[in-house]
Amino acid sequence: AQKVTQAQTEISVVEKEDVTLDCVYETRDTTYYLFWYKQPPSGELVFLIRRNSFDEQNEISGRYSWNFQKSTSSFNFTITASQVVDSAVYFCALSDQIQGAQKLVFGQGTRLTINP
Amino acid sequence: DAGVIQSPRHEVTEMGQEVTLRCKPISGHDYLFWYRQTMMRGLELLIYFNNNVPIDDSGMPEDRFSAKMPNASFSTLKIQPSEPRDSAVYFCASSLDEAVGELFFGEGSRLTVL
Repeated sequence: AQKVTQAQTEISVVEKEDVTLDCVYETRDTTYYLFWYKQPPSGELVFLIRRNSFDEQNEISGRYSWNFQKSTSSFNFTITASQVVDSAVYFCALSDQIQGAQKLVFGQGTRLTINP
Repeated sequence: DAGVIQSPRHEVTEMGQEVTLRCKPISGHDYLFWYRQTMMRGLELLIYFNNNVPIDDSGMPEDRFSAKMPNASFSTLKIQPSEPRDSAVYFCASSLDEAVGELFFGEGSRLTVL
């Protein structure tokens, strides 16, 4: 069965600190996709990144970076030099070929608060 | 370009009443999804369509819930009769076939059933 665990329910840091959001996943499939979404206070979820199971290269996009490690079934998200605008709920998600690639299973989310 | 449009944004109704939530996906998108978000259960996929055809409705809680997509630009999620435990934020999202999992979400419809 698919499962996504975000153990950190809430994180609060001071602006300019680096922060890492953890994500651990479970799937029986060898072909799967991992995602991160951001839900700002306005409510709608915003897609941030997709990785497939065959690409373990880390990705960097500006202040955001993602570390995918199949050996530990983790797909962690780091924000460098955090800003108040990064405050949001962040969701990690998984889909696989068995259940259907378009069928995303979301973690419970991590509420990130960046304090000025 | 317009994003996914949902209506109503807020709905307050009494138990037993029928509720209809509406969604207009992004033009040209192949997939349409209905998700429900609650504090207790998080984000749950209720049903999704591909080219207007329901593909997987295994997440629909019970027969009180139904969803339709009569054409590529419109979908509805209906709850009849509504119950207090249906209170949640209901999101509609759409995506392109080739962009697996890259969902564009609407702002959600917040439903409160008294």
